[in-house]
Amino acid sequence: EIVLTQSPGTLSLSPGERATLSCRASQSVSSSHLAWYQQKPGQAPRLLIYGASSRATGIPDRFSGSGSGTDFTLTITRLEPEDLAVYYCQQYGSSPETFGQGTKLEIK
Amino acid sequence: EVQLVESGEGLVQPGGSLRLSCAASGFTFSSYTMHWVRQAPGKGLEYFSAIRSDGRDTYYVDSVKGRFTISRDNSKNTLYLQMGSLRAEDMAVYYCARSSGTWASPWYFDLWGRGTLVTVSS
Repeated sequence: EIVLTQSPGTLSLSPGERATLSCRASQSVSSSHLAWYQQKPGQAPRLLIYGASSRATGIPDRFSGSGSGTDFTLTITRLEPEDLAVYYCQQYGSSPETFGQGTKLEIK
Repeated sequence: EVQLVESGEGLVQPGGSLRLSCAASGFTFSSYTMHWVRQAPGKGLEYFSAIRSDGRDTYYVDSVKGRFTISRDNSKNTLYLQMGSLRAEDMAVYYCARSSGTWASPWYFDLWGRGTLVTVSS
């Protein structure tokens, strides 16, 4: 199975700054079948990005995804306090679908 | 409102059984492949099961194969998970989730429930 490794484990930034989250796969993710989710404390995950770079419905353009092959990035610009969450990547290019261990984003 | 609501939370002894339900509303449930994902306390997300829109195909990862059964009742807009031979490592919040596209389509999850907690302890 494809193992996804996210870095950093925790990211602490101030409102207005830019966050860059990394997701690295143990082998190439076919067709850029990679998604990103946001999980706020006590809530269910929410789909942010699919196909590595396509924003899900209702997701603001502050959130963007990029990458291909084994290296993917989620970028969040103009951070807001409400962006406090754990962010997970998920590959769905090969079975079983797998998730990264998450990056916790703290807002100072 | 488009939503998924899980139920069936409970405490069960190792080796025991439990059934979870997931009620769907606000969309045509019978058109979607549905899934279960779980999250152990303080841990990340683990995908483990899927069922085709018409219920004719199912999928399980090895860690739950033979112990868990996914099913659905499209007349009731409800997804189920029958869990048996429960182990301590099965303790988690269990989420149901929806994917768009067909059974053969790549599976990412565009709608999630809020989850229900399963505790396995003696």
